This record gives sequence, C-alpha cells and structure tokens, in this order.
Amino acid sequence: KNEVEQSPQNLTAQEGEFITINCSYSVGISALHWLQQHPGGGIVSLFMLSSGKKKHGRLIATINIQEKHSSLHITASHPRDSAVYICAASPNTGNQFYFGTGTSLTVIP
Amino acid sequence: DTGVSQDPRHKITKRGQNVTFRCDPISEHNRLYWYRQTLGQGPEFLTYFQNEAQLEKSRLLSDRFSAERPKGSFSTLEIQRTEQGDSAMYLCASSLAANYGYTFGSGTRLTVV
Repeated sequence: KNEVEQSPQNLTAQEGEFITINCSYSVGISALHWLQQHPGGGIVSLFMLSSGKKKHGRLIATINIQEKHSSLHITASHPRDSAVYICAASPNTGNQFYFGTGTSLTVIP
Repeated sequence: DTGVSQDPRHKITKRGQNVTFRCDPISEHNRLYWYRQTLGQGPEFLTYFQNEAQLEKSRLLSDRFSAERPKGSFSTLEIQRTEQGDSAMYLCASSLAANYGYTFGSGTRLTVV
C-alpha cells in the first residue's frame, strides 16, 4: 500500500466546472504538498500545508490532520488548468517526499 | 537566479553508455534532492544532499548510479552502463531547509535505446 493515495486518477471536466482532487496519507507528516506537472515534465509547487486551508487565485487546498486527508479544489476551471496534480507528503522523519501517483486533469473548452 | 535548472532537458543514449545530468539549485538552498519519475507514476526518491554531504540514498539507487554535490552548489547524477529500464524523467528539487517550500527543476528526460 502506498503511503499517499490520490483520487481520481483521471478527471475530465468542462470549462467552468468546480474540481476536487483528493489525497489520503498514512504516515505522520510535517507538511503536505500539492504539485502541478505539465506535459514536458516540469513540476511547480502549488501549496505546502500543515493545517487548515490555503488559497491562491482559483486554487484552494485544505487539509484535515486528524483524518489524514487533503483536497485540492479548482474553481471556474479553465483549459490551461489541464495538467497532472500530485500530492506529496513530507513525513515527520526522513528527508524525502512520499508522492501520490497523480491525477491527470483535462479541462475541455 | 530564477529557479532550479537542469541540464540537459532531453538525453537519448544507447544502452551501455554512461550519462551525466546536472542540477543547479536556487543559490541559497542547501538541500538538494534527486527523484526519478516513470510514465504514469509519481516521482520516486533517489538521493538527498545537505550542502555537500549526501545524507540519504534510496535502495533504488543501484551501484550504477552515483550523485555528487562537490561544493554544496550544483549536483551531478551519473548513470553508468545505462539500461532500458533507466528511461525516465530525472527531477531535481531544492529547499532552504526542512519544512520550507521546495522548488523543482524541469527535469531531464532520459531515453535509453
């Protein structure tokens, strides 16, 4: 079993829809990261969370430490949001991330 | 300094050849990480440096793989006697310290033919 599980694996949405991507983790963490990877491979860090909620533009990330669950929401989705979104956990011990396998999002105009 | 730079962006090599990738982290970041990502999978941890010291290595890092960060600035990842299974995206990330934000490079895509 992976330390970090994401769902859904693939997601297709119409432009303007509200999108939610879920992440569950099984390790104790110091932080939870949401990353965005576009075709071509480069990864952009979107959020780093240790509690509560963060918002950046149309993106919102939440975390529930007790339930070991985080969500990434995209409001008013746009085709340029099409990418792979990866959840990654920084564990309390050790120096590496545990990565989810990613959610491939396609937003159709 | 605008981010983490990786070179080359793409590398195609014949099986059995050696390849070397370079990562230039954000200058004040003392932590540097290498990850490998195969198609459809999340990145897998390979190794981690704090300054010039290599503090952690994954079991994935066979004896054909070696990484260095000689002056605590840029890092190189060398793969000797490449195999087709080494084909992947190799990602570098840097961080100022634990629990600070991480910045990823664009990756080096290796294809072994």
